Amino acid sequence: DIHMTQNPVSLSAFIGDKVTITCRASQDISRYLGWYQQKQGQSPRFLMYYTSILLSGVPSRFSGSGSGTEYSLTITGIQPEDAATYFCQQCYSYPFTFGSGTKLEIK
Amino acid sequence: EVKLLESGGGLVQPGGSLRLSCAASGFTFADFYMSWIRQSPGKAPEWLSFIRHRPNNYTTEYTPSVKGRFTISRDDTQNVLYLQMNTLRAEDTAIYYCAKHEFGYAFAHWGQGTLVTVSS
Repeated sequence: DIHMTQNPVSLSAFIGDKVTITCRASQDISRYLGWYQQKQGQSPRFLMYYTSILLSGVPSRFSGSGSGTEYSLTITGIQPEDAATYFCQQCYSYPFTFGSGTKLEIK
Repeated sequence: EVKLLESGGGLVQPGGSLRLSCAASGFTFADFYMSWIRQSPGKAPEWLSFIRHRPNNYTTEYTPSVKGRFTISRDDTQNVLYLQMNTLRAEDTAIYYCAKHEFGYAFAHWGQGTLVTVSS
């Protein structure tokens, strides 16, 4: 199985800040990585696929990058509605696996 | 609008069985791979199983922890996805989601989930 190590576990940011969440795969996943946002009490929302391609409707302040085993999600210009837990997921091979999540708090 | 509505969750004793359903609407269900995913409180989602569409013979894949106990199936005439869960254990307690695959094996749309509690 491919293990996904996500960091940090939590972070706190002010409105307008830039934050970066990282995800490391235990083997090369060839950019087959997605990102999800989950707000309290809700289902996960799909944000991005193939490392950096945003879904329609996702604000452009979200961006992704990476290759091989190292990937990141960056939010530039944090907004109050970005408070949530973010998960990465490798789409390279089954069993498909998720990172353990990063909880973003807005100060 | 894509809608996925899970049902069938509830309280079941260890060793018991449960069948979950996921009613799909807003898209051509038969054209897409579908998955079941679960999430325990405060934990990351855990992918359980997916089923391919008819052109790929409805073949299935499972994560090792449920293989042999859970069975995924689909009814394209009714636009429903199923998960038959047998020999349930306390550690199977979670919210169970169905999800529609797009962009390869990403989970593009999720239902609202149904809670399964395994306890005596």
